[in-house]
Amino acid sequence: KNQVEQSPQSLIILEGKNCTLQCNYTVSPFSNLRWYKQDTGRGPVSLTIMTFSENTKSNGRYTATLDADTKQSSLHITASQLSDSASYICVVSRGGKLIFGQGTELSVKP
Amino acid sequence: NAGVTQTPKFQVLKTGQSMTLQCAQDMNHNSMYWYRQDPGMGLRLIYYSASEGTTDKGEVPNGYNVSRLNKREFSLRLESAAPSQTSVYFCASSEASIINEQFFGPGTRLTVL
Repeated sequence: KNQVEQSPQSLIILEGKNCTLQCNYTVSPFSNLRWYKQDTGRGPVSLTIMTFSENTKSNGRYTATLDADTKQSSLHITASQLSDSASYICVVSRGGKLIFGQGTELSVKP
Repeated sequence: NAGVTQTPKFQVLKTGQSMTLQCAQDMNHNSMYWYRQDPGMGLRLIYYSASEGTTDKGEVPNGYNVSRLNKREFSLRLESAAPSQTSVYFCASSEASIINEQFFGPGTRLTVL
């Protein structure tokens, strides 16, 4: 079983709608939890980085939350745009290593 | 400020051929990394270099070698390519250790026939 599991695997939403992506992890303790956005054919780009003591971090229309008790993180995207179509990757840092989730493929349709 | 650059963008090799993937960063970062990304799997660390002159194995180092040529450049070499090495390869850099934010290059898509 992966130490970082993301759901759903893929998601299709209409432009302007909100959505929430989930990340469940078993890694504990950890240094920080990150969300990356990866456009097709490009490298991942950092959206947020949270330490274990932070509950929420925002970056424009992207808001990440962290619940250390349930070992869950979510990424909420508000008022989606076509340019939000991408893969979103949850990454947990522990012991000098990064553990990557498999990603959620988001498609925003007009 | 180009960030992290990688060459080539695409490459097709035959089994047994060798090649070197190049990576350079202009952010004066100390640490550099090579990852591979395969369908349905998260990125996996191949090798990393915590500072100029040092390299260490990551999760999947077999079949690869690396060279930290200077602070800017970190190359990945496949001595005898195998179909299992068909993947997308990403180079990344960070200011210091792996817990710092990493900046990724655009990737090299490699196919081994």
